[in-house]
Amino acid sequence: KAGVTQTPRYLIKTRGQQVTLSCSPISGHRSVSWYQQTPGQGLQFLFEYFSETQRNKGNFPGRFSGRQFSNSRSEMNVSTLELGDSALYLCASSPGGWGEETQYFGPGTRLLVL
Amino acid sequence: GENVEQHPSTLSVQEGDSAVIKCTYSDSASNYFPWYKQELGKGPQLIIDIRSNVGEKKDQRIAVTLNKTAKHFSLHITETQPEDSAVYFCAATDNTNAGKSTFGDGTTLTVKP
Repeated sequence: KAGVTQTPRYLIKTRGQQVTLSCSPISGHRSVSWYQQTPGQGLQFLFEYFSETQRNKGNFPGRFSGRQFSNSRSEMNVSTLELGDSALYLCASSPGGWGEETQYFGPGTRLLVL
Repeated sequence: GENVEQHPSTLSVQEGDSAVIKCTYSDSASNYFPWYKQELGKGPQLIIDIRSNVGEKKDQRIAVTLNKTAKHFSLHITETQPEDSAVYFCAATDNTNAGKSTFGDGTTLTVKP
């Protein structure tokens, strides 16, 4: 099976702009989670989608949003970018059912905000 | 919410030696504990995991132990090789919040040839 794919791999934006990142999960996986990774804060959970519904949400401001499509592909959007949003954004997929918590990560999208 | 502490933050060993990384968690509802290896420029890769109904799990040179009472779990790597050099993360998950893992801060392991 193909692994989790994320596009784009690298992105440079300026403050105030918005950005959309995409994630394609492993075939058959219905859960997609998003994490932000920074040197100072480590890996922090943003949100998780399962069957097109947000099932869990982390402690990030409303500028961070996401959605999931019927084919389980997911996008996350960050509006009004701030310098502190520079990070590696990782998505992870899992089957999502009871006892199916094992998450498989994509390579990430590295976002630089100038 | 859940809090996961990981130690040490850096670990340097000689090739062939063993390496041990320890994590503690705070939420007794957590019942799934994966370990990930992250190499430069890549996403975290699952290397081993353990569920709360099991005390120990082994896969070749890698083993994980879990002490539910003390709320800690450890990663053991034996006969380390230079290619084991990477950042290792522990995580804790409560399956009623599947898809939401809390991660430790990571351990940078360096294996010297």
